[in-house]
Amino acid sequence: DTAVSQTPKYLVTQMGNDKSIKCEQNLGHDTMYWYKQDSKKFLKIMFSYNNKELIINETVPNRFSPKSPDKAHLNLHINSLELGDSAVYFCASSQVGGRLEAFFGQGTRLTVV
Amino acid sequence: DAKTTQPPSMDCAEGRAANLPCNHSTISGNEYVYWYRQIHSQGPQYIIHGLKNNETNEMASLIITEDRKSSTLILPHATLRDTAVYYCIVRVASSSNTGKLIFGQGTTLQVKP
Repeated sequence: DTAVSQTPKYLVTQMGNDKSIKCEQNLGHDTMYWYKQDSKKFLKIMFSYNNKELIINETVPNRFSPKSPDKAHLNLHINSLELGDSAVYFCASSQVGGRLEAFFGQGTRLTVV
Repeated sequence: DAKTTQPPSMDCAEGRAANLPCNHSTISGNEYVYWYRQIHSQGPQYIIHGLKNNETNEMASLIITEDRKSSTLILPHATLRDTAVYYCIVRVASSSNTGKLIFGQGTTLQVKP
């Protein structure tokens, strides 16, 4: 069983479109994250949810809207896609407190053309 | 969270030990040292973490200096599959922490046959 799974793995879309990336974790963790890895391979956190509540929003454009229907899911919706949104997006989860070891999904490679 | 400094790249012969250094001279007393790695096209993977004592698990060993200003991740018998970017991250591990990981540039380890 995959601990943190993201869909789709690849996403190619045109500028101006709206797209969503889904993430699910089966680890029973209460915190989930979205990270973005740009073309220079720099990994940066975007959002974090703890028990469906937003706890981190790292100055991300409001075209990006995370949604957490329950603590096992954290989806990322992106409106009006721009060329600069092209990147690999990683979902992660952890149990806040204790070791705080995070588990990452395999990533979604988004290409905006 | 404290800043870390790592060499940008290192080579290691297959079967030999890989020793990856990390400097964290501004680390606070309640901050742990975490190591993650990212194999090409995959999500980051937790390796090990420690506070002040040396730690060992099935993947690696972590040696932290007595003053805690630096540490070394040791892969005892590197294989080609250990080729990856290795990230050293220093952070507080507590229930009040958001769990956010701040990734630097890491060290690209190339294991050669």
